[in-house]
Parts: sequence; C-alpha cells; structure tokens
Amino acid sequence: EPEVTQTPSHQVTQMGQEVILRCVPISNHLYFYWYRQILGQKVEFLVSFYNNEISEKSEIFDDQFSVERPDGSNFTLKIRSTKLEDSAMYFCASRSGTSVAGELFFGEGSRLTVL
Amino acid sequence: AQSVTQPDIHITVSEGASLELRCNYSYGATPYLFWYVQSPGQGLQLLLKYFSGDTLVQGIKGFEAEFKRSQSSFNLRKPSVHWSDAAEYFCAVGHDNYGQNFVFGPGTRLSVLP
Repeated sequence: EPEVTQTPSHQVTQMGQEVILRCVPISNHLYFYWYRQILGQKVEFLVSFYNNEISEKSEIFDDQFSVERPDGSNFTLKIRSTKLEDSAMYFCASRSGTSVAGELFFGEGSRLTVL
Repeated sequence: AQSVTQPDIHITVSEGASLELRCNYSYGATPYLFWYVQSPGQGLQLLLKYFSGDTLVQGIKGFEAEFKRSQSSFNLRKPSVHWSDAAEYFCAVGHDNYGQNFVFGPGTRLSVLP
C-alpha cells in the first residue's frame, strides 16, 4: 500500500541551527501539507503546497519556515534558525487531486528536539 | 471557522468493555469527518472517515462512528476494547481543500486496564 515517508524520524539540533525535514508523498498525489504537534497539544496546520507553490499557510509559518519540492518527489520543510519552541513532531501529508476532499495520508512524523 | 471538541481528555476502560469517544464539531455545512489514532511516538493512522451517505461508518480495527447532524457529533465506538487500543484518538473536520480547513480536536487518551 502506498504511504507517505518522512526522514529523519528524530532530529536533535542546537538552537539557531538550520533543519530540513524531508517527506516523500504518495507518487500520484498533488496536494502536500505540513502539520506539527507540540508535545501534549493538538495537531496544527502549517502550510499547504500545490502546483509548486504555497497555497495556504498559517500564522505559525513565519519567515523562518520554507517549503519546496526540489525534485518532483521530495517535499521538504526547512526551518532556517531553530528556536526552542520549534520542538515538536512534524507531520507531512498528501492527497490526490481527484476530488475536493479525499483522504489525507499522513507520514509517521519527524520529531524535532531543539536544545 | 470550524472547530472540533473532544470533551474527554482521558478515558480508562477495562479490556473487553465497550468504548465511546465523543466528538463535536462546529461548521455551517456538512463537513468531512475523520478519526485518527496515534500510538505513543507514532504517526497518525486513519481509522475511518465520513464524507456523505450512510451516517454509520465502519473503520479498521473494529471501530465505527456515527454522524449525527442534529447533534453535530461524530462519536467513535468499539464494542469490545483490546489492550492494543490504548492510544491517543483525534477527531478531525475538513472541508474545501483542507489546509487551514482541516482541523484536529485536542485528542482523547485511551487507557485500557487488563
């Protein structure tokens, strides 16, 4: 069964360092998303991406964050200069473009710990 | 904007007992409704979803949920809980192209007693 894969599963970094989280969405999907979950809190939307550009972003997604799809398969989230409060589980998701809704497929997440 | 509430932060049941996890949503039209399960340190696994049609939907692992428009609810049920069902359960509401319009509830943590 096709799945969304994310790497790394866990990354520990020092405050101020750059971090790149990688996602490989399901191959025929067209819509891509990043969500995050701070420990013990609810899952929050960060950004959605379609047709090689950001289609929507939340207030959380400030100038320190960026996304790109560099090679047609990977979908990356970059945090330019990490802060302690960026520590969270980051989930990538994708869905096909065959309907307005349709199922969101989530990856297993990348846990980021900022020290 | 839509919102999702899960009134129970933590529920404990005995193995073999029945389970109902509550979910209420706020949205002007009929939303798309989902239940996800998250085991400790793991990702989000879709249990079931409702888009339209039959208001009682069946999911994986023996779970079912019923959409009740009059109560704005989408409660998750299981007739007999197994110890492996211990996890965090999230109700979610989506519409349009998701993104900002895909909202998770705060979650209910399920503990199962042997």
